Amino acid sequence: QKEVEQNSGPLSVPEGAIASLNCTYSDRGSQSFFWYRQYSGKSPELIMFIYSNGDKEDGRFTAQLNKASQYVSLLIRDSQPSDSATYLCAVKPRDYNTDKLIFGTGTRLQVFP
Amino acid sequence: GAGVSQSPSNKVTEKGKDVELRCDPISGHTALYWYRQSLGQGLEFLIYFQGNSAPDKSGLPSDRFSAERTGGSVSTLTIQRTQQEDSAVYLCASSLAPTTPHYEQYFGPGTRLTVT
Repeated sequence: QKEVEQNSGPLSVPEGAIASLNCTYSDRGSQSFFWYRQYSGKSPELIMFIYSNGDKEDGRFTAQLNKASQYVSLLIRDSQPSDSATYLCAVKPRDYNTDKLIFGTGTRLQVFP
Repeated sequence: GAGVSQSPSNKVTEKGKDVELRCDPISGHTALYWYRQSLGQGLEFLIYFQGNSAPDKSGLPSDRFSAERTGGSVSTLTIQRTQQEDSAVYLCASSLAPTTPHYEQYFGPGTRLTVT
């Protein structure tokens, strides 16, 4: 089992719709969870982080965390073509001796006009 | 301010040669990370430096890979006797406060390594 799993996609949604991106993780003691956006040929950039159960909203983005189910998701409301990118889920594991992140392979999102 | 910089942006090398990749983190960032990303894959952790602490080398795939960080700032990732499977984009990131529960890693533009 991979430590962080994501559906590779592509996930195709029409402009204006809600895009829902999902991620599961295996280390139950994981502390913090991150969503990075990566445009083709570019480096990842942080969109959101979450570390408490529940929802966290920032503009059109909402991160949801359910530690009991080991599940984290990212909702993008009013999707725009400019949101088309690969979204990487990253998890900070329980190991207190390191601050590395474990990344999933990413979900490619396509927003069509 | 200036972000994380990496050099070179592209490197083509012959199998068996050694290569050095450089990372210059954001000024004041104490934590520095190296990842690599193969085509169509997620980021694979390689090594982590935090201040003067011993680095976390748990992600280095073989003893051909090594990294150092001089003076708590610039880092160099060295790959000896390169193999074709080393071809990937090597990404460096830095962060300010690694001891907090949440923090942001800022990524550099990466070095695309191609081993022929």
